[in-house]
Amino acid sequence: DADVTQTPRNRITKTGKRIMLECSQTKGHDRMYWYRQDPGLGLQLIYYSFDVKDINKGEISDGYSVSRQAQAKFSLSLESAIPNQTALYFCATSDSWEETQYFGPGTRLLVL
Amino acid sequence: QQQVKQSPQSLIVQKGGISIINCAYENTAFDYFPWYQQFPGKGPALLIAIRPDVSEKKEGRFTISFNKSAKQFSLHIMDSQPGDSATYFCAASVAGNNRKLIWGLGTSLAVNP
Repeated sequence: DADVTQTPRNRITKTGKRIMLECSQTKGHDRMYWYRQDPGLGLQLIYYSFDVKDINKGEISDGYSVSRQAQAKFSLSLESAIPNQTALYFCATSDSWEETQYFGPGTRLLVL
Repeated sequence: QQQVKQSPQSLIVQKGGISIINCAYENTAFDYFPWYQQFPGKGPALLIAIRPDVSEKKEGRFTISFNKSAKQFSLHIMDSQPGDSATYFCAASVAGNNRKLIWGLGTSLAVNP
């Protein structure tokens, strides 16, 4: 969905490096999410934010941190990347009165 | 512990056939059950959703069947087409301000021409 953009789309990094994945949305939604997708493991929630001042841990937050810089921007950081963080990462947004989540195109991350 | 169990993990169907994907849940507080469709290289997108006050919802070739007593819901794709080849996720959520989706593990569907 072009209304939710993620940068970069692909990233290769080395073990121990700090990396930031960025998400922006023009849908005007107040809720934003970061998911990780691994083959056979579905979508795992890393962090979610219901408004700019609200940050919540998801199922697999260890090794990750987030920042909600504005209503439209939600960044995911890996402070010290490790190989098992190699995965496809998705940002999603939703409105507080609607259950539908709108996903970005994903960021494919490879940690060597 | 997987709160929403999805099966099968993969499915191959011939063009024109019926694709059926099943999900089961334990939490009786779930009140919203969506299905998302994901094409390769794309993010998931909402396909169809149902609430427990109805037993079936149909949108075009896609139908959700919901069995509250059995705590199961399923996606039926009628007249399956090669363009339906994708990964399908079921999900569920509980009503309230902190609503989050609980996801199944996904089903990879391949429709052979």
